[in-house]
Amino acid sequence: AQSVSQHNHHVILSEAASLELGCNYSYGGTVNLFWYVQYPGQHLQLLLKYFSGDPLVKGIKGFEAEFIKSKFSFNLRKPSVQWSDTAEYFCAVNARAAGNKLTFGGGTRVLVKP
Amino acid sequence: DAGVTQSPTHLIKTRGQQVTLRCSPISGHKSVSWYQQVLGQGPQFIFQYYEKEERGRGNFPDRFSARQFPNYSSELNVNALLLGDSALYLCASSLNLQNPITNTGELFFGEGSRLTVL
Repeated sequence: AQSVSQHNHHVILSEAASLELGCNYSYGGTVNLFWYVQYPGQHLQLLLKYFSGDPLVKGIKGFEAEFIKSKFSFNLRKPSVQWSDTAEYFCAVNARAAGNKLTFGGGTRVLVKP
Repeated sequence: DAGVTQSPTHLIKTRGQQVTLRCSPISGHKSVSWYQQVLGQGPQFIFQYYEKEERGRGNFPDRFSARQFPNYSSELNVNALLLGDSALYLCASSLNLQNPITNTGELFFGEGSRLTVL
């Protein structure tokens, strides 16, 4: 069974700082990878996704993530955060053989100070 | 376009009671999944339904059950509620389960039903 680990539980940044959130997964087969964001009081929204091809994927709101297969990692980055990026971020893995089941990491709460 | 809708948004139950949560998927989506999100944790997979059949089940006790209707809406039932069942229950829809080569696995989530068990 697959598992997902997010190493940072809480991150506090100032506006304009760079953000990088770590995500590692354990699964030997082919995977789809996702980052979801949950803004305060809102539903989970997809930030970006990787299925195949270029391992550097760009998502909405200036976020990007890099898939490093050899490290089983899919880290999320943003060069310059804004106060509105305050949210909880979840990395998720879909093992293609498992249909539409997503396995989520525990989440990282990001607080951006104005 | 309407997204995934869930009802009720909030509810309070006592231990031992039963609860039914409802979900309407995005129009055209045939697959519905249920996730449990306990405070401070990531969502955990409970069930997936496609074309009214259970296609996946997570590590949850038999007190949890679900079904999907011909219009692709779904209900999640939890019997004999425990304090530990307090959580946000998320419904997510996706296009289909078939053809894993092209299946993106992308899920669209509703805002959830927050269940408090006292």
